[in-house]
Amino acid sequence: DAKTTQPTSMDCAEGRAANLPCNHSTISGNEYVYWYRQIHSQGPQYIIHGLKNNETNEMVSLIITEDRKSSTLILPHATLRDTAVYYCIASASYNTDKLIFGTGTRLQVFP
Amino acid sequence: GAVVSQHPSWVICKSGTSVKIECRSLDFQATTMFWYRQFPKQSLMLMATSNEGSKATYEQGVEKDKFLINHASLTLSTLTVTSAHPEDSSFYICSAPHSGYGNEQYFGPGTRLTVT
Repeated sequence: DAKTTQPTSMDCAEGRAANLPCNHSTISGNEYVYWYRQIHSQGPQYIIHGLKNNETNEMVSLIITEDRKSSTLILPHATLRDTAVYYCIASASYNTDKLIFGTGTRLQVFP
Repeated sequence: GAVVSQHPSWVICKSGTSVKIECRSLDFQATTMFWYRQFPKQSLMLMATSNEGSKATYEQGVEKDKFLINHASLTLSTLTVTSAHPEDSSFYICSAPHSGYGNEQYFGPGTRLTVT
């Protein structure tokens, strides 16, 4: 799996957009970019994934650069409940492929 | 979304005893499940891949005789920590990919093991 690099921590005011960057410059052609988050003392939760097109769901948007070497997860209106560690992972699409977690970004949303 | 459960949610055991942790996929079948360990303020570390009907695949540095994995059915995988020691105290988490969702994996809530 391609290695990913994320900032250790970020702060965001409640109601503002949180933009979480991820660098995956060695990503291979069959690898998707997956985002998970882990709220304190819970199991991680799947958020979104994409290959090369931008993706959006009811929670977030995922912007992937054209060369696929980096991506940004956007929480358009962060809430206090979005405080968590966010992990960006590059992984192949088949479901027997293991997920290798990096250090992630600890997002703190403050009032 | 798919649901994965773990039991127990927390356990305290004495040094030298064995502890079994169960991971169940509640509303889907999983031929593959994954076991992770997480120490305080650290990321998840993959321990092993559990395969239904065959032996588990362990990551480098993980002792297979200490962490026994059994994938008994398409909805159940168990992790047994044998002869537990205080350094095995950790947060153990399982995950299972839903076959219809690519590699979108669903994680259990975790089991906190404390060895005294």
